[in-house]
Amino acid sequence: DAGVTQSPTHLIKTRGQHVTLRCSPISGHKSVSWYQQVLGQGPQFIFQYYEKEERGRGNFPDRFSARQFPNYSSELNVNALLLGDSALYLCASSLSRDSGPGEDIQYFGAGTRLSVL
Amino acid sequence: AQTVTQSQPEMSVQEAETVTLSCTYDTSESNYYLFWYKQPPSRQMILVIRQEAYKQQNATENRFSVNFQKAAKSFSLKISDSQLGDTAMYFCAFMNPIGGSQGNLIFGKGTKLSVKP
Repeated sequence: DAGVTQSPTHLIKTRGQHVTLRCSPISGHKSVSWYQQVLGQGPQFIFQYYEKEERGRGNFPDRFSARQFPNYSSELNVNALLLGDSALYLCASSLSRDSGPGEDIQYFGAGTRLSVL
Repeated sequence: AQTVTQSQPEMSVQEAETVTLSCTYDTSESNYYLFWYKQPPSRQMILVIRQEAYKQQNATENRFSVNFQKAAKSFSLKISDSQLGDTAMYFCAFMNPIGGSQGNLIFGKGTKLSVKP
């Protein structure tokens, strides 16, 4: 079975540009979460989506937005890129948004490495 | 706000030896989940072990086990019979379920583990 897939693998942008990152969850998983991992740090939560609705948002500016599609895939959009947006962006999927045995486990993709020049 | 602290930025261990990684967390909640994730150079975050706070029994997964001390808010990971493939960044993570729904993961800064032949 395919795991969480993210595209692209690497991306280079310049300041002020816009970027779209894509994520396909594990088949059957309905919840998708996005995390930003700056070099040398642990991942920080950006968004959680379930059934196409935003269920949680971390402490990130409005330049960050996301959406989830009917097939449960998701996009993360970042506008007006800043140098500080350079990071590894991780997508994670889980079975549902419930907390219960197995349902709360988040499975991660390999991430998209974004470099802003 | 919940926080997760990993006080060991780097550790090394000889192959076949045992190593323990430390993690402490801060929360006022009584029901939550704790995780250890492994991130090898391939970047993909891989779940190592999961602990439910209401269970007193420490979780084990083959060579990996935890020492969960709820009163002390401590959650250490023990790796027995270390293997070269265990070389990776290890992240401790906390999740506070909200009304039966999963919350987001809160990560520590990680411990870089090197297993030496």
